[in-house]
Amino acid sequence: AQSVTQLGSHVSVSEGALVLLRCNYSSSVPPYLFWYVQYPNQGLQLLLKYTSAATLVKGINGFEAEFKKSETSFHLTKPSAHMSDAAEYFCAVTFSFGNEKLTFGTGTRLTIIP
Amino acid sequence: NAGVTQTPKFRVLKTGQSMTLLCAQDMNHEYMYWYRQDPGMGLRLIHYSVGEGTTAKGEVPDGYNVSRLKKQNFLLGLESAAPSQTSVYFCASSYGQFSSVGNQPQHFGDGTRLSIL
Repeated sequence: AQSVTQLGSHVSVSEGALVLLRCNYSSSVPPYLFWYVQYPNQGLQLLLKYTSAATLVKGINGFEAEFKKSETSFHLTKPSAHMSDAAEYFCAVTFSFGNEKLTFGTGTRLTIIP
Repeated sequence: NAGVTQTPKFRVLKTGQSMTLLCAQDMNHEYMYWYRQDPGMGLRLIHYSVGEGTTAKGEVPDGYNVSRLKKQNFLLGLESAAPSQTSVYFCASSYGQFSSVGNQPQHFGDGTRLSIL
């Protein structure tokens, strides 16, 4: 069965510092991986997706993630945190052949310290 | 282009009452989904639909029913609400067969906040 694990339910970083949100996946077939962001009282917005074309994926708002098969990881990074990055972030996985059912991680709430 | 619209946005029910949550999408998507979001548990799939007239169970279907009579609408029903169903409910939609349409992700509505007293 597919699953994702997000390490750290809460992460705090200073404004301007590196953001690193961790996601490890479990899948018996090549996965499709996603990062979504949720701002307060809003739905989920897609940040970026991995679909096997390139291991380093760039998304919106300066975020990027690297797919590492050997580590079964898909960590989300941003070089310099901005106050507007404060939100909850979800990693999600699905199989590569017609399975549209996303399995979500439990989320990481990112707080930016001024 | 509204995307995915959920109504209502907020609702308070008493235990045992029934209600229907409506999801509408204007992107001509084939697939639609209902999730619930609870603190510390991420999003869990309740039911989904792969096309008009079809529905299927997700991870946590008990206590819910769904219908997809029109392609653009996906209804989630609670026949007899219980306090355990207090949650934020999200609807999502996507084009369809993942591998055949450019790996399109799911598009989400803004959620319905439901409290059962």
